[in-house]
Amino acid sequence: NAGVTQTPKFQVLKTGQSMTLQCAQDMNHNSMYWYRQDPGMGLRLIYYSASEGTTDKGEVPNGYNVSRLNKREFSLRLESAAPSQTSVYFCASSLGQGVRGEKLFFGSGTQLSVL
Amino acid sequence: GQQVMQIPQYQHVQEGEDFTTYCNSSTTLSNIQWYKQRPGGHPVFLIQLVKSGEVKKQKRLTFQFGEAKKNSSLHITATQTTDVGTYFCADFSGGSNYKLTFGKGTLLTVNP
Repeated sequence: NAGVTQTPKFQVLKTGQSMTLQCAQDMNHNSMYWYRQDPGMGLRLIYYSASEGTTDKGEVPNGYNVSRLNKREFSLRLESAAPSQTSVYFCASSLGQGVRGEKLFFGSGTQLSVL
Repeated sequence: GQQVMQIPQYQHVQEGEDFTTYCNSSTTLSNIQWYKQRPGGHPVFLIQLVKSGEVKKQKRLTFQFGEAKKNSSLHITATQTTDVGTYFCADFSGGSNYKLTFGKGTLLTVNP
């Protein structure tokens, strides 16, 4: 069982470039999430998808778009990358049975640098 | 902004010493979760506390939820080098079942 798989692991972009971060889970989870982690800031929720076909904004959605491609996959797109988006990005998933308190399973992260 | 405040931000201990990190909120917390992130790794779920005054133990780790559900703590007894990492508390903000808001974390380093 791979769990939550993120690609790529590392990426360097120039300001203004676009890219998509990919995430897939093989645990048959309904809910998926994108977080960013910056030094001293903890993890901040960018977007989440409670179930296939739905997406909602989190705490810091500006500059990002997401697509819940199917139950397994949830991608994060940066249309025009900015240096402020330099961060480590984590994808996560949970059972998504509509009950509060489900634990999150995280991928290994993508380290993104925008120059 | 952050719903949960976590202190201290950093803690360095000698191996064998105890360690405690605290999670505080001005509002009532719903379900407190604790995660551990090893250096260079990803967050891993440790435990969830739901009830007022709840205490749970995992070997040398003791987790507590305050009586008023406005604070929580993680205590490690006799730290080991394997305890190194950042410990995060997290709570579901705004009544959501999905918006898990993390504290900024406490980085624990252990001197062997």
